Amino acid sequence: DGGITQSPKYLFRKEGQNVTLSCEQNLNHDAMYWYRQDPGQGLRLIYYSQIVNDFQKGDIAEGYSVSREKKESFPLTVTSAQKNPTAFYLCATVSVGELFFGEGSRLTVL
Amino acid sequence: QKEVEQNSGPLSVPEGAIASLNCTYSDRVSQSFFWYRQYSGKSPELIMSIYSNGDKEDGRFTAQLNKASQYVSLLIRDSQPSDSATYLCAVAGGGADGLTFGKGTHLIIQP
Repeated sequence: DGGITQSPKYLFRKEGQNVTLSCEQNLNHDAMYWYRQDPGQGLRLIYYSQIVNDFQKGDIAEGYSVSREKKESFPLTVTSAQKNPTAFYLCATVSVGELFFGEGSRLTVL
Repeated sequence: QKEVEQNSGPLSVPEGAIASLNCTYSDRVSQSFFWYRQYSGKSPELIMSIYSNGDKEDGRFTAQLNKASQYVSLLIRDSQPSDSATYLCAVAGGGADGLTFGKGTHLIIQP
């Protein structure tokens, strides 16, 4: 099946721990994005990548890091520096200017 | 700072009626406009895209764009209970930095 796979779907973290959210796609799309969604809020851009080994900060990159070593993969690390990490995280790719999302990862900090 | 504004709702519409969802945007150079549907706890799903002024119809959905007024809307005809969801308006400026999203309108279709 073609698509965008995010894992894990649910993740619990203690304060002070780093966690990495996985995003894999087999659509052969060049551009990949990470968004964050808080309850009752729109999506806010964390990081994006147009090509392998290159990525740019979005509007709320502080406390997050990414890598793009392979075209298919764009993992997001939520570091301990992120003050309020509890949120719904969405990975997306672009095809013909249209954004398509994975199923999301819900992170809860205990 | 690009902004996309939507009425958060909830917007309550009787089953079978027309639901009208509205969105305004601040960046005049915006080129592409999208409507996403998001069910509770799920990721957004693209339902309509529109790029030029006027109307675009797809089944029960019609997107309307007025670039002079910086306004985009979504009409849902013959509303069904399954249309109950949050509808996100999104705008692209033509750059590589993805879409700017509104906060969404919560739509409730009453049986």
